[in-house]
Amino acid sequence: DTGVSQDPRHKITKRGQNVTFRCDPISEHNRLYWYRQTLGQGPEFLTYFQNEAQLEKSRLLSDRFSAERPKGSFSTLEIQRTEQGDSAMYLCASSVYMETQYFGPGTRLLVL
Amino acid sequence: GQQVMQIPQYQHVQEGEDFTTYCNSSTTLSNIQWYKQRPGGHPVFLIQLVKSGEVKKQKRLTFQFGEAKKNSSLHITATQTTDVGTYFCAGNRGGSYIPTFGRGTSLIVHP
Repeated sequence: DTGVSQDPRHKITKRGQNVTFRCDPISEHNRLYWYRQTLGQGPEFLTYFQNEAQLEKSRLLSDRFSAERPKGSFSTLEIQRTEQGDSAMYLCASSVYMETQYFGPGTRLLVL
Repeated sequence: GQQVMQIPQYQHVQEGEDFTTYCNSSTTLSNIQWYKQRPGGHPVFLIQLVKSGEVKKQKRLTFQFGEAKKNSSLHITATQTTDVGTYFCAGNRGGSYIPTFGRGTSLIVHP
């Protein structure tokens, strides 16, 4: 399977804990995006990378959120001190420049 | 900031009826994409429109991009139960690599 993969697919955590999600994009794709999606809404942009450089970050993104793409391949999204409002589906997508974005299956986070 | 509005939010149809969802942007777009998300799934790319007034067809699906590049529509002819899902539009402003997604239209097809 050469699509976008995400791990884990599901995560349940207690409020205040830290969580980290991983995204492996399609290998030749230089752009990687993170989105958050809640029920009944479209994907909401969080941040994106071109190769290893984080080029843009949503102004809505709390300082508790951080993302990395150290070698321009896989990326991690960390949420520190999780809150119940962080419960959502976290989607990763990759693309080649302005071309089609291919989404991964997502990580569903539930904060208790 | 840029807003992308999508209507209707839900649409129930009988199998065989047609379906249309509309997407409107507050700003001129450089391109617009359409995605389909099945229940429990992730968004899957359907098509990208770039040119003013562009019309593209994929079997029973017809996509249009408005002349002013601020609105778009997706029309499905003779819906089937396999068409069930949420259809999202996503638009890019000129020079931006960040698409803004609409809220989506959920299509429910009754057999």
